[in-house]
Amino acid sequence: DAGITQSPRHKVTETGTPVTLRCHQTENHRYMYWYRQDPGHGLRLIHYSYGVKDTDKGEVSDGYSVSRSKTEDFLLTLESATSSQTSVYFCAISDGLAGGTGELFFGEGSRLTVL
Amino acid sequence: KQEVTQIPAALSVPEGENLVLNCSFTDSAIYNLQWFRQDPGKGLTSLLLIQSSQREQTSGRLNASLDKSSGRSTLYIAASQPGDSATYLCAVTRANAGKSTFGDGTTLTVKP
Repeated sequence: DAGITQSPRHKVTETGTPVTLRCHQTENHRYMYWYRQDPGHGLRLIHYSYGVKDTDKGEVSDGYSVSRSKTEDFLLTLESATSSQTSVYFCAISDGLAGGTGELFFGEGSRLTVL
Repeated sequence: KQEVTQIPAALSVPEGENLVLNCSFTDSAIYNLQWFRQDPGKGLTSLLLIQSSQREQTSGRLNASLDKSSGRSTLYIAASQPGDSATYLCAVTRANAGKSTFGDGTTLTVKP
């Protein structure tokens, strides 16, 4: 299994509080992604990174920010959590398309509940 | 914009049956197509990856095919078992881009 660790795995917070989810990989892959999974919407890309300090928006990026200061860590921050951000968040990694297979590997997920 | 559709949304079969899951996509300019399995409350596990230049991949009882020109992929599961019960998702990665689009999945139930 790909070495991907998400933390925390479960979190309950209140509306308006900041939340940071962490993704740590041991595969030295260039690409890292944050997805959210919701019933009726499937998996949707929030943000992704194609290198240290290189990030870009996905299809549902409003209300989220990310940072990648090291190859192995990708942080997802909800500056002021809202109930609509209650979801399961998945981190994924890939070796990318330039010389790589582009195969995606996923973490176990972080379940966030915003009350 | 790439759209990925999986039909049917749910499928129930008796143990031992061979079955096919379908995935269709609208933009044929893809880098690869990947099939995943997801058990309830768990992450996605990669099953098979097909590069755009390939037609099929096999792993054990699983065989995935890719027809880029028609925008279709199938996942064939031979001799299904109750342990195969899960949600199966396909994802398409665009050529020249690092982003993938997922289908909503097919939930498979294999009855003993």
